[in-house]
Amino acid sequence: AQKITQTQPGMFVQEKEAVTLDCTYDTSDPSYGLFWYKQPSSGEMIFLIYQGSYDQQNATEGRYSLNFQKARKSANLVISASQLGDSAMYFCAMREGPSGGYQKVTFGTGTKLQVIP
Amino acid sequence: GAVVSQHPSWVICKSGTSVKIECRSLDFQATTMFWYRQFPKQSLMLMATSNEGSKATYEQGVEKDKFLINHASLTLSTLTVTSAHPEDSSFYICSAVRGRSSYEQYFGPGTRLTVT
Repeated sequence: AQKITQTQPGMFVQEKEAVTLDCTYDTSDPSYGLFWYKQPSSGEMIFLIYQGSYDQQNATEGRYSLNFQKARKSANLVISASQLGDSAMYFCAMREGPSGGYQKVTFGTGTKLQVIP
Repeated sequence: GAVVSQHPSWVICKSGTSVKIECRSLDFQATTMFWYRQFPKQSLMLMATSNEGSKATYEQGVEKDKFLINHASLTLSTLTVTSAHPEDSSFYICSAVRGRSSYEQYFGPGTRLTVT
């Protein structure tokens, strides 16, 4: 079974609009963390946001927010006020187990976001 | 910020030769580094976990004799692709974890390997 599922291979959004990128996960570990990374065409993986399984509040970082619904095992990324520079591949990822020590992370298949002027 | 570098950024080699890729954490110590492989338009696949001073832990299906990993210091891990073949052509990305209790991985810019 896939640990991380991103069902949207590609998305379009109008500049200045908000967009939600979907991510669902599967784990039986009570302690885990969810990440979102951006990969522009240059290839570098850029960390965007992190949500721990025990975090009470949804994570936010500037224009990025993570809509964490634990019971549904979903961790959608919301990008507000899209900019042309947001066009990239976006990967959802998960680490399982408590922080510290082994930090193996599993990545989803990614969503290609294109922002339209 | 935490910076991870990779060298070379791209390399072309002939079949049968070996290629070494370096991953360095420039401004922090990394007890754990990871090596990923990414085929075009696909996700990152973890190849191995590199721990300083010990043998690397390889993921299932990854040939340890073909992909040699050495983590000789807290700031350097190397991946050597031995006897490279065209099917080894890929984008190789390393990441480093700062400290022992951090959840954050800092990624290098990647190395594009083309085997002719």
